Amino acid sequence: EAGVAQSPRYKIIEKRQSVAFWCNPISGHATLYWYQQILGQGPKLLIQFQNNGVVDDSQLPKDRFSAERLKGVDSTLKIQPAKLEDSAVYLCASSFYPDGYTFGSGTRLTVV
Amino acid sequence: DQQVKQNSPSLSVQEGRISILNCDYTNSMFDYFLWYKKYPAEGPTFLISISSIKDKNEDGRFTVFLNKSAKHLSLHIVPSQPGDSAVYFCAASLNTDKLIFGTGTRLQVFP
Repeated sequence: EAGVAQSPRYKIIEKRQSVAFWCNPISGHATLYWYQQILGQGPKLLIQFQNNGVVDDSQLPKDRFSAERLKGVDSTLKIQPAKLEDSAVYLCASSFYPDGYTFGSGTRLTVV
Repeated sequence: DQQVKQNSPSLSVQEGRISILNCDYTNSMFDYFLWYKKYPAEGPTFLISISSIKDKNEDGRFTVFLNKSAKHLSLHIVPSQPGDSAVYFCAASLNTDKLIFGTGTRLQVFP
């Protein structure tokens, strides 16, 4: 079974630039999550999709972050404009009840 | 508001000995708890879980204990191996919904 695919693996941008991350979940997994992991902290949920609908985006900074999951399969997370404090690893995970989450390898974003 | 806490940022254990990683939570409604292991440059990988209706779950060298009255769970690794060196995250969920993670404990197993 193929895992959760994420790209790019690394990205360095200047503050105020925009950036987009892509995630392709495990086939058949209806639920998709984006987490932000800042160095020294645990992953924090940004947004949860069920198929192509948003279940929870209460922690998403909507003034600069956006996410979509068209067709209920792969998803993109965008930051525009980026701030220095957005430097983190962005993790995508998918799940299919009752199985647990499967995480991708993440995208490490550095904002300079 | 940190609902899941791992108060020890790091732990160093000799190979062959027991590693005990601790986790505390504040929300008594959590009904499912998990431990994830994370190597550098990789995403977290699932290690072991426990339902709130149990107090112990064992899988090979890994055992998770849950003390609901104390809102505390622990992960025991015995015997510890150098390959166990990683960051371990405790996570909790409600109704198998989104996971809330602790801040992680970096385990180092030395020869």
